[in-house]
Amino acid sequence: AQTVTQSQPEMSVQEAETVTLSCTYDTSESDYYLFWYKQPPSRQMILVIRQEAYKQQNATENRFSVNFQKAAKSFSLKISDSQLGDAAMYFCAYRRNNAGNMLTFGGGTRLMVKP
Amino acid sequence: DTEVTQTPKHLVMGMTNKKSLKCEQHMGHRAMYWYKQKAKKPPELMFVYSYEKLSINESVPSRFSPECPNSSLLNLHLHALQPEDSALYLCASSGTGRGTGELFFGEGSRLTVL
Repeated sequence: AQTVTQSQPEMSVQEAETVTLSCTYDTSESDYYLFWYKQPPSRQMILVIRQEAYKQQNATENRFSVNFQKAAKSFSLKISDSQLGDAAMYFCAYRRNNAGNMLTFGGGTRLMVKP
Repeated sequence: DTEVTQTPKHLVMGMTNKKSLKCEQHMGHRAMYWYKQKAKKPPELMFVYSYEKLSINESVPSRFSPECPNSSLLNLHLHALQPEDSALYLCASSGTGRGTGELFFGEGSRLTVL
């Protein structure tokens, strides 16, 4: 079975600074996706960034980037120039690349942004 | 249209009531999901429908009954719930082919069982 671990229950960052959220996962599969989802107090889960396991290049979406280390099964999220609106729960998630397969979520990291 | 719409947003029900949660998407997705989320916890998978057929049931009690009337709609029928069933219920949808990895989530239905 796949497991996803987020070792940081809470993180804090100063506005405009950079923060990195950690995620490790365990799988025997070679073909899968990894995601970071953001869940603000409004509660909707919003996709931040995704990485396909067969792509060696790290994904980037504006201020958000990942450090994907496939051999180490590590998938960290870097948020640059942090903004107050980035404050939320962040969930790392894994999905095997197959029809109808579900997401396996990590336990989440609560990110606080200080003005 | 990249939205998943859930109704109602809030629901309060007694343990003897029968109610339903509804979810709708118009992205042409053929996989739909129900997740349950308790406070400060990650979502937990309940059910997966693929091409309108139930493909995964994560050992959910029978007081939760899913239904997928067509490719755009997903319902969750609730009956004889317990107070511990109070939670945020999230609906999601996704494609089913290769390269369609992410799930799109609705805003959730906040359920309180008295």
